[in-house]
Amino acid sequence: DTAVSQTPKYLVTQMGNDKSIKCEQNLGHDTMYWYKQDSKKFLKIMFSYNNKELIINETVPNRFSPKSPDKAHLNLHINSLELGDSAVYFCASSLRGGNTEAFFGQGTRLTVV
Amino acid sequence: DQQVKQNSPSLSVQEGRISILNCDYTNSMFDYFLWYKKYPAEGPTFLISISSIKDKNEDGRFTVFLNKSAKHLSLHIVPSQPGDSAVYFCAARYSGGGADGLTFGKGTHLIIQP
Repeated sequence: DTAVSQTPKYLVTQMGNDKSIKCEQNLGHDTMYWYKQDSKKFLKIMFSYNNKELIINETVPNRFSPKSPDKAHLNLHINSLELGDSAVYFCASSLRGGNTEAFFGQGTRLTVV
Repeated sequence: DQQVKQNSPSLSVQEGRISILNCDYTNSMFDYFLWYKKYPAEGPTFLISISSIKDKNEDGRFTVFLNKSAKHLSLHIVPSQPGDSAVYFCAARYSGGGADGLTFGKGTHLIIQP
């Protein structure tokens, strides 16, 4: 029973398209995140979302937007895809505050051609 | 500006020996540190963590040491097993900072040789 699941696992799309990656967690966590792992293998936080509070990494272009229909879901929408958006995107969740670990999904490899 | 640094991109250790992975950080606000293990085409999996009020935490074959004055932590794996071959990420957070996620190092690829 997967704790954090994201779909699709692979996504190939053309430049200029708009795409979404879905994420769901069944851990009862109150905070969800999106991370990006670029070609240099750096894992960087893009967004964190808790109870309608959105914290954005200022380096993330505004073509990226998270959407949370409820506490268990945080989807990532990307508009006008660019070649440089090619990366692996990881969704994660945790409990806010205190010393708790984050649980990660299996990742979505996005390739923009 | 890398706030969490893993200066060894890769490490090769013989099976049965000790693996020591190192991590340095620059942000003195960090108070919770974690190690994640990652296999190819999978998400990072939580391994072990340590709070800044401790200097050691042990879980089976895995021990994490924290030296706050040096802003350094290390992960010890004893004995190393073939299944330990993976990329290990050091991560840190400021627990009072709200929902601002983890800051990761670039990872160390651990290779356990038979």
